[in-house]
Amino acid sequence: EVQLVESGGGLVKPGGSLRLSCAASGFPLSSYTMNWVRQAPGEGLEWVSSISGSSSYIYYADSMKGRFTISRDNAKNSLYLQMNSLRPEDTAMYYCVRVMDVNMVHWGQGTLVTVSS
Amino acid sequence: QSALTQPRSVSGSPGQSVTISCTGSSTDVGHYNYVSWYQQNPGKAPKLMIYDVIKRPSGVPDRFSGSKSGNTASLTISGLQAEDEADYYCCSYAGSYTWVFGGGTKLTVL
Repeated sequence: EVQLVESGGGLVKPGGSLRLSCAASGFPLSSYTMNWVRQAPGEGLEWVSSISGSSSYIYYADSMKGRFTISRDNAKNSLYLQMNSLRPEDTAMYYCVRVMDVNMVHWGQGTLVTVSS
Repeated sequence: QSALTQPRSVSGSPGQSVTISCTGSSTDVGHYNYVSWYQQNPGKAPKLMIYDVIKRPSGVPDRFSGSKSGNTASLTISGLQAEDEADYYCCSYAGSYTWVFGGGTKLTVL
């Protein structure tokens, strides 16, 4: 069974940093592109970043470029999102998502990030 | 990376059909046959309902169907049931490992 379990969320002050993790199980992580998608409270879904299976291709939404860094450790079956210079508008539930072809098929339950002083 | 446009809300009575539209541009919806639809219940993660415009994952009732014309994709739910009440999001692949979502539509079953 495919499982994605996010962790690392919490309360952080504006300008601070946080590192999210996603533990994958039930499939070989190295074979799949992985995404981070976020959802602000009461708002819609927003694609954040993607990373190909071998980490050869990495992309970010414009508002995250230069502040967020996606990475993966296939040997540890883990996906990461390093978030720096956090802003209140980054407050959201962050989901780890497995991509099959170009479809976001499997989603974790999310980890909540709150940016507030 | 502009969001796709969805109606904020739609409603229907049990047994009726409802259609949710999703309008993008020639660089996303209009360019790729990679539109997907997600159902999200309160406090839950999104669930894939339709992918590649028209395909249904195993386990999704055939009451759910997708289509596309030009820059607009649509999700139709026929034989509406109370359990279908949820938020629905469309998503389009936009090339080069990037994606764009719609703003979401709240479906109310009257």
